[in-house]
Amino acid sequence: DAKTTQPPSMDCAEGRAANLPCNHSTISGNEYVYWYRQIHSQGPQYIIHGLKNNETNEMASLIITEDRKSSTLILPHATLRDTAVYYCIGFSGNTGKLIFGQGTTLQVKP
Amino acid sequence: NAGVMQNPRHLVRRRGQEARLRCSPMKGHSHVYWYRQLPEEGLKFMVYLQKENIIDESGMPKERFSAEFPKEGPSILRIQQVVRGDSAAYFCASSPQGREKLFFGSGTQLSVL
Repeated sequence: DAKTTQPPSMDCAEGRAANLPCNHSTISGNEYVYWYRQIHSQGPQYIIHGLKNNETNEMASLIITEDRKSSTLILPHATLRDTAVYYCIGFSGNTGKLIFGQGTTLQVKP
Repeated sequence: NAGVMQNPRHLVRRRGQEARLRCSPMKGHSHVYWYRQLPEEGLKFMVYLQKENIIDESGMPKERFSAEFPKEGPSILRIQQVVRGDSAAYFCASSPQGREKLFFGSGTQLSVL
């Protein structure tokens, strides 16, 4: 599964959009880009995933570049409860396991 | 539809004792994963099991740790002769068929005195 690179930390003002980048230049054609988040001490929470096309659900939007080497998770109106560590993971299912990196610590400030 | 259930939520053991952590996957899920998170560190994969089979145990320490997922009942992560370095949060996750998104439980916080 692809190695991903994320900035270690980011700040966002409450009510504004949070844009979290992820580089996955080694991603293979059958690997999906998954995003999870972990709010302090809780179990990781699935956010969204995609393969080629942009995706949107009730939590977030995922923008994947045409060459699939990078993506951006967008939280359209960040709240204080969105403060968490966000993980971008390349996953094909072939190995059967998600490998978590260090993620991005997003701090939403009032 | 209940989520992934882990118990106990908190477990305190003295050095040398055994720790048993339980995980009941979501209904209909036959794939279970265990992860460990040491204080101030990231999530580390430990083991991936399907009913009655260990699929991948590449993240499990070679000694003292074992996992099972029997035909009936929850998955069990067992740590024998615990040491202080085993103190961590242990998370379980499940998926229906092993190739799609994982659903995580709330974790068991193990403290070794």
